[in-house]
Amino acid sequence: GAVVSQHPSWVICKSGTSVKIECRSLDFQATTMFWYRQFPKQSLMLMATSNEGSKATYEQGVEKDKFLINHASLTLSTLTVTSAHPEDSSFYICSGGFRDRSSGANVLTFGAGSRLTVL
Amino acid sequence: GNSVTQMEGPVTLSEEAFLTINCTYTATGYPSLFWYVQYPGEGLQLLLKATKADDKGSNKGFEATYRKETTSFHLEKGSVQVSDSAVYFCALTPMDSSYKLIFGSGTRLLVRP
Repeated sequence: GAVVSQHPSWVICKSGTSVKIECRSLDFQATTMFWYRQFPKQSLMLMATSNEGSKATYEQGVEKDKFLINHASLTLSTLTVTSAHPEDSSFYICSGGFRDRSSGANVLTFGAGSRLTVL
Repeated sequence: GNSVTQMEGPVTLSEEAFLTINCTYTATGYPSLFWYVQYPGEGLQLLLKATKADDKGSNKGFEATYRKETTSFHLEKGSVQVSDSAVYFCALTPMDSSYKLIFGSGTRLLVRP
């Protein structure tokens, strides 16, 4: 089945540094990638939607310059948290979408998530 | 706008008890409805889905029926196991978006032996 590999699974960094999280679709081409943020014991908040080769569309309230999203290929999307601060500590989850040719259904597969802790 | 409301947790049950987690939604037309499960330390996994009214999604003993008249998609299981302990998210995809998922707040289920 469709698998999304997300790396790193956890990262600790100092305040002011930048952190990059990668999301790869291993056996399918993800035409669309979604990035979510999850606070402890809360639901997932959609941060942005990216389509391969174009700029990401950010949800209201999400800082574009803070959370840089690149979707350079159909198998790779990256989220870079720039100048991270403790309030950016969270669980970040990506998901990849594609249309299954045999069924015509839209399929969405989630990565395992990346836990970021900013000291 | 589109939104999903689910019952607050945590829900604590004994093994083999009956489970219901309520979910209602607000959306235009006929969204697709989903239940996702998140086990500790892991990402989300699709549990079941329904794409039109009166459809019943089922998987691993869990069921949910798409009720248009009550705008609900309640999750049920006849006999829970300790391994079912997780956080369950109800979600919808609006009619005008094939992929964009809108999640409920999640309900934590704890099953005791």
